[in-house]
Amino acid sequence: EAQVTQNPRYLITVTGKKLTVTCSQNMNHEYMSWYRQDPGLGLRQIYYSMNVEVTDKGDVPEGYKVSRKEKRNFPLILESPSPNQTSLYFCASSLREGVALHFGNGTRLTVT
Amino acid sequence: AQKITQTQPGMFVQEKEAVTLDCTYDTSDPSYGLFWYKQPSSGEMIFLIYQGSYDQQNATEGRYSLNFQKARKSANLVISASQLGDSAMYFCAMRGWNYGQNFVFGPGTRLSVLP
Repeated sequence: EAQVTQNPRYLITVTGKKLTVTCSQNMNHEYMSWYRQDPGLGLRQIYYSMNVEVTDKGDVPEGYKVSRKEKRNFPLILESPSPNQTSLYFCASSLREGVALHFGNGTRLTVT
Repeated sequence: AQKITQTQPGMFVQEKEAVTLDCTYDTSDPSYGLFWYKQPSSGEMIFLIYQGSYDQQNATEGRYSLNFQKARKSANLVISASQLGDSAMYFCAMRGWNYGQNFVFGPGTRLSVLP
């Protein structure tokens, strides 16, 4: 089944403890992206990648890192999480010139 | 830079009536695509409809249609015969095909369908 898989679905952590949210797609998509969703602010893009080893900042990249060493994987790294990073995170992927963006099921992160 | 504006934070509609959700966009890319996504309370993102900037006709998918007015840079979503299951957040998005090919989303509109 074609899908974007994010893990974990739920994560509660403490300030400063490094964490990684994984994202994997099995559709051979070139484009992958991370978004955070907060009430009243919609979906804000954190980082995106047009292909392996190519990443670019979105609108809210501060406090996040990404890597794209393989085409299928695009992990989101929070080196030192803070409470303002408590949010719902989505990973998504698409063909380079695709007309559909495929979303993962989301990761709800709480930083205390 | 690309930007999507959705000016309606929340909308109400009576069941079985039609509703229009507004979306305006800004881009310098001459070739782009416009999208609508639905997010029900369960949280998943569901693709609804796509309109290409060079498409001559407005896109339709079942009860969803996209009212595309290129000169006004608007791409409103029209839902006909609203159902209770249409209650959700709706996001307008765009993708420029020439410059960066990145997806950009609007802030969303929360639609509530009343019985």
